Amino acid sequence: AQSVTQLDSQVPVFEEAPVELRCNYSSSVSVYLFWYVQYPNQGLQLLLKYLSGSTLVKGINGFEAEFNKSQTSFHLRKPSVHISDTAEYFCAVSESGAGSYQLTFGKGTKLSVIP
Amino acid sequence: DTEVTQTPKHLVMGMTNKKSLKCEQHMGHRAMYWYKQKAKKPPELMFVYSYEKLSINESVPSRFSPECPNSSLLNLHLHALQPEDSALYLCASSSRQGANEQYFGPGTRLTVT
Repeated sequence: AQSVTQLDSQVPVFEEAPVELRCNYSSSVSVYLFWYVQYPNQGLQLLLKYLSGSTLVKGINGFEAEFNKSQTSFHLRKPSVHISDTAEYFCAVSESGAGSYQLTFGKGTKLSVIP
Repeated sequence: DTEVTQTPKHLVMGMTNKKSLKCEQHMGHRAMYWYKQKAKKPPELMFVYSYEKLSINESVPSRFSPECPNSSLLNLHLHALQPEDSALYLCASSSRQGANEQYFGPGTRLTVT
């Protein structure tokens, strides 16, 4: 079984400042890793994914994440945030291999960008 | 195109009503999912259909009845719901290949009165 821990439930940050949203996972098998964003009253949008290969993954809207196997982490970063980045961010993990259905989500981090 | 559509956007129903939620995708995905999301919580998996067959039912009460008429459509039939069933209901789909990443629809906001 796998689990995901998002270390911060809320992260306030000033506009144009950098941000890092932290995610740690636990699994006994190899995993795929994802970050999703949910804007108010909307569904989840896939920001980026890590399957294998390069540990630095670039996604949409200027976000990137770095996979660290030794620390079992997949932290999300953006060098300069905008007001429009205010949203809930979910880290998620699934078992690698033949099309696992199950996505295990973290509890989410609410990013609030302050003008 | 990575779009999953859901109708209706909002739904208010009484505890004795019967209603249905609809989900559609045209990405050729062969897995479709229903999730329930309460406020300030992550989505909780309810059902998974793979190749139009029910693969996973996460012990969901029988007042929720899923249906997959074809590979593009997914319905969730609702009957005799309780106020605690009020939530955002999300549909998702995935290709069943590679990382099998899931693409979500905008959701239906359900209120049970």
